[in-house]
Amino acid sequence: KAGVTQTPRYLIKTRGQQVTLSCSPISGHRSVSWYQQTPGQGLQFLFEYFSETQRNKGNFPGRFSGRQFSNSRSEMNVSTLELGDSALYLCATNGGGGQETQYFGPGTRLLVL
Amino acid sequence: GENVEQHPSTLSVQEGDSAVIKCTYSDSASNYFPWYKQELGKRPQLIIDIRSNVGEKKDQRIAVTLNKTAKHFSLHITETQPEDSAVYFCAALPGGSYIPTFGRGTSLIVHP
Repeated sequence: KAGVTQTPRYLIKTRGQQVTLSCSPISGHRSVSWYQQTPGQGLQFLFEYFSETQRNKGNFPGRFSGRQFSNSRSEMNVSTLELGDSALYLCATNGGGGQETQYFGPGTRLLVL
Repeated sequence: GENVEQHPSTLSVQEGDSAVIKCTYSDSASNYFPWYKQELGKRPQLIIDIRSNVGEKKDQRIAVTLNKTAKHFSLHITETQPEDSAVYFCAALPGGSYIPTFGRGTSLIVHP
């Protein structure tokens, strides 16, 4: 099976702009989670979508939002970008059915200037 | 919610030495503990995991131990090689959850 893919791989934005990132899961995987990775902070959970519904949510402000489509592809959106939003954004998918392993995408590296 | 502490944040060893990374967790309901390896510029990938009904698991040069009573688990890498250099993340999942809580990561540097 093809792995998890994310687009774009790199983005440069300025403060105040908004950005949309995309994640395509492994075929058959219906759960998609998003993480923010910054140096020293590790992997911080943003939210998880399953069957087009947000099932879990981390402690991030409302500027961070997401959605999932019927084909399980997911997007996350960050509005009113701040310098501190510069990070690697990873999505991870899970096959469910007792399979706990998270399969990560390559990430989107976002730089906010 | 679950809280996972990971130590050390950086670990530097000579090739051939052993490396040990330790994690503690807070939620006694957690019953699945995976370890992920992230090489520079690459995605995190699962390298080994352990469930709460097992005390130790080995896979070639890597092993993981779990002490449920003390709520801590450790990753052991023997005969380290330069290609083991990476950031390692531990994680804990409560039963029925698919959302792991990750530690902050350990940067392992293996010097040739």
